[in-house]
Amino acid sequence: DAGVIQSPRHEVTEMGQEVTLRCKPISGHNSLFWYRQTMMRGLELLIYFNNNVPIDDSGMPEDRFSAKMPNASFSTLKIQPSEPRDSAVYFCASSRPVDIQYFGAGTRLSVL
Amino acid sequence: EDKVVQSPLSLVVHEGDTVTLNCSYEVTNFRSLLWYKQEKKAPTFLFMLTSSGIEKKSGRLSSILDKKELFSILNITATQTGDSAVYLCAVEEGAGGTSYGKLTFGQGTILTVHP
Repeated sequence: DAGVIQSPRHEVTEMGQEVTLRCKPISGHNSLFWYRQTMMRGLELLIYFNNNVPIDDSGMPEDRFSAKMPNASFSTLKIQPSEPRDSAVYFCASSRPVDIQYFGAGTRLSVL
Repeated sequence: EDKVVQSPLSLVVHEGDTVTLNCSYEVTNFRSLLWYKQEKKAPTFLFMLTSSGIEKKSGRLSSILDKKELFSILNITATQTGDSAVYLCAVEEGAGGTSYGKLTFGQGTILTVHP
């Protein structure tokens, strides 16, 4: 299995631009998680889906952030408009029910 | 608010040393505690602990959970330079056989092993 696939690996954008991060979970995993990692705050859960349905989005920082999972093999995390404080590494993870989470390689986002 | 606290925040040792990393937690509905290793990329899974007092081992790494005192330790014996990484502790919430899916992570321990 290819594991959790995230794209792009690196994204550099200017403040105010829209950013879309993409994730393909491991086939057969029905839970998908979006995390953000910064030096100051560590690894934080933003939102997670079970069977394509958002279950808990309490970690989404504000309305500029949105996430979708249109089908079992694809999810997006969108930031519009982006701000410099959004600079971080964004991880996607997936899991089977009641199983460990497997992480993708992450997207390093820099907002100038 | 759920909380996971790791100590020390950073540790520098020489090859061959033994290290102990600590993780304490306060969560409402504890289901399991997990350890991950992160080497400049994605966190990779090391251990999942659900029962107190049962040590899990994998080579030079071992871990144990104390659900009464709400902490876990991760031991690494005969450290090697390849053990240099950030070690993350996370707590999973749930009830009975059901997971709520959420992981709450500690801030991590940065381990540096010098030759």
